[in-house]
Amino acid sequence: NAGVTQTPKFQVLKTGQSMTLQCAQDMNHEYMSWYRQDPGMGLRLIHYSVGAGITDQGEVPNGYNVSRSTTEDFPLRLLSAAPSQTSVYFCASSYDSGGKTQYFGPGTRLLVL
Amino acid sequence: GNSVTQMEGPVTLSEEAFLTINCTYTATGYPSLFWYVQYPGEGLQLLLKATKADDKGSNKGFEATYRKETTSFHLEKGSVQVSDSAVYFCALDAGGTSYGKLTFGQGTILTVHP
Repeated sequence: NAGVTQTPKFQVLKTGQSMTLQCAQDMNHEYMSWYRQDPGMGLRLIHYSVGAGITDQGEVPNGYNVSRSTTEDFPLRLLSAAPSQTSVYFCASSYDSGGKTQYFGPGTRLLVL
Repeated sequence: GNSVTQMEGPVTLSEEAFLTINCTYTATGYPSLFWYVQYPGEGLQLLLKATKADDKGSNKGFEATYRKETTSFHLEKGSVQVSDSAVYFCALDAGGTSYGKLTFGQGTILTVHP
């Protein structure tokens, strides 16, 4: 198993550009989520999904869109990047929610100029 | 709302020293509690967890006990190694309508010197 994979590893964007951060898992997990990690603030939940076709907002959803067309993939879209979105982004998955272990990808480091 | 507070860092220790990283939480109901570790350049991985009061999670010599009366989940290790140098995150899953939504503390950077 590859586990949770994320691409790209690093990306530089200009303000106003759009991009999609890719996340895939091969563990047949129903639950997937996106977090951002900022210095001194831990990780904060952006969006999550409890299964294909079902998504919902987390703590900091503004400026991000998600969709879940398959169990395996959960892309995160930035429609118009802003410097405040400079961060490290982590995707995670688990069999279901409620105390289950979440498995994290290696992260995508994003710099918005 | 739910929140997790970790001791201020960074923490610097010599090899074989005793480690404690404090973690306290605020949550309604009966949350599950976790410690995740992030090694340099990597994603987070689960270190240990506890899902009910008085449970003790343990792994790789690390331990933490779920104390509901003090709303705490302190991480301890009796003898740290250089390879334990990493960032440690305390987190909770409050359950109910917050199922699966992890709330993290700010992280504690641990550096262990030979």
